[in-house]
Order: sequence, then C-alpha cells, then structure tokens
Amino acid sequence: EPEVTQTPSHQVTQMGQEVILRCVPISNHLYFYWYRQILGQKVEFLVSFYNNEISEKSEIFDDQFSVERPDGSNFTLKIRSTKLEDSAMYFCASSLRAGEGDTQYFGPGTRLTVL
Amino acid sequence: GQQVMQIPQYQHVQEGEDFTTYCNSSTTLSNIQWYKQRPGGHPVFLIQLVKSGEVKKQKRLTFQFGEAKKNSSLHITATQTTDVGTYFCAAHAGKSTFGDGTTLTVKP
Repeated sequence: EPEVTQTPSHQVTQMGQEVILRCVPISNHLYFYWYRQILGQKVEFLVSFYNNEISEKSEIFDDQFSVERPDGSNFTLKIRSTKLEDSAMYFCASSLRAGEGDTQYFGPGTRLTVL
Repeated sequence: GQQVMQIPQYQHVQEGEDFTTYCNSSTTLSNIQWYKQRPGGHPVFLIQLVKSGEVKKQKRLTFQFGEAKKNSSLHITATQTTDVGTYFCAAHAGKSTFGDGTTLTVKP
C-alpha cells in the first residue's frame, strides 16, 4: 500500500539554525499538508499546498516557515531560524483531492528538537 | 475561526467496557473525519461522515454525525487493549481543525 514517507525521523538542531524537513507524498496525490504536534498536545494545521502554491496557512505558519515542492516527488518544510518552541513532531500528509472531504494520509513524522 | 472541541480528554476503562468520545463544532460542518493515533505513532484515518444524521459502523466502532452537522461521536463497544490510543476528530474546510483528542487507556 502506498504511504507517505518523511526524513529524517529525528532532527536535533541549535536554536537559530535553519532546518529542512522532507516528505515524499503518495505519488498520485495532488494536495499536501504540514502539521505539527507538540508533545502531549493536539495536531495543529500549518499549511496546505496545491498546484505549487500555498492554499491555506494557519497563524502558526509565519515568515519563519516556508514550503516547497522542489521536484515531482519531494515536499519540504523549512524553518529559517528555529526557536525552542518549534520543538515538536512535524507530520506531512497528502490527499488525492482537496482537504475538504478527502482522506489525508499522514507520514510517520519528524521529531524536531531545538536546543 | 472554527473551533472543534472534544470530550473527554482522557478515558480509562476496563477491558470489555464501552467507550465514547464526543466532538462539537462551533460551526456547521460539511464533513467530519475521525483519526486514531497510537502512542508514538501518527494519525491514521478511520472514517469520514458527510450526511446529517449519518451513522457508520466499523466492527466494534460506531460513528455518528449529528442532525445539525455540528457534533459527532465515536463509540467503541467492548473495548480491547488494542483500542488504546488517542482519537481525534477533524474538520477539513480549507484549513484543517483537529479536536484536542480523547486518550483512551484500557486495563486488561
């Protein structure tokens, strides 16, 4: 069964450093998403992406964040200057159709630890 | 903005007992989805409800969507230890909004 993959599984970085989290969505899916989950808390929407542009973003997704689909398979989340509060699990998800009404398949996540 | 509230936050049951989690929205929803997240795992899609008053079953799990499409519930009959995890409801309408989740623990 096709699945969303994410690398790395765990990223440790120093505060102020840039990090890039990588995702490979399911190959025929058209909509891509990033979520974060701070330890013990709920899943929070960051951004959705379709047709090479951002569709929606939350208030969490400020100027420190950016997303990119650099080629036909990868979908990346960049945090320019990490803060301690960015420590969380970051999940990528993809869906075949738009988020409203379609199943989103989640990747296994990248645990980001900012020291 | 849209808010999705979920109760209870935690539920501890004896194996074999039933379990229910409730999800309430501040706005009318076009659909609602339920996910399960095992400890240390990622959210896994369980089901989607679209129609007013809809009821769907998956083995021991029963999902309901309220008549006003503002609330939903997930009921598990005769829980098993494999049911442990956090159950989230989610509304996807442009932005995705997840409920806080209900964490279920089952004592064998």
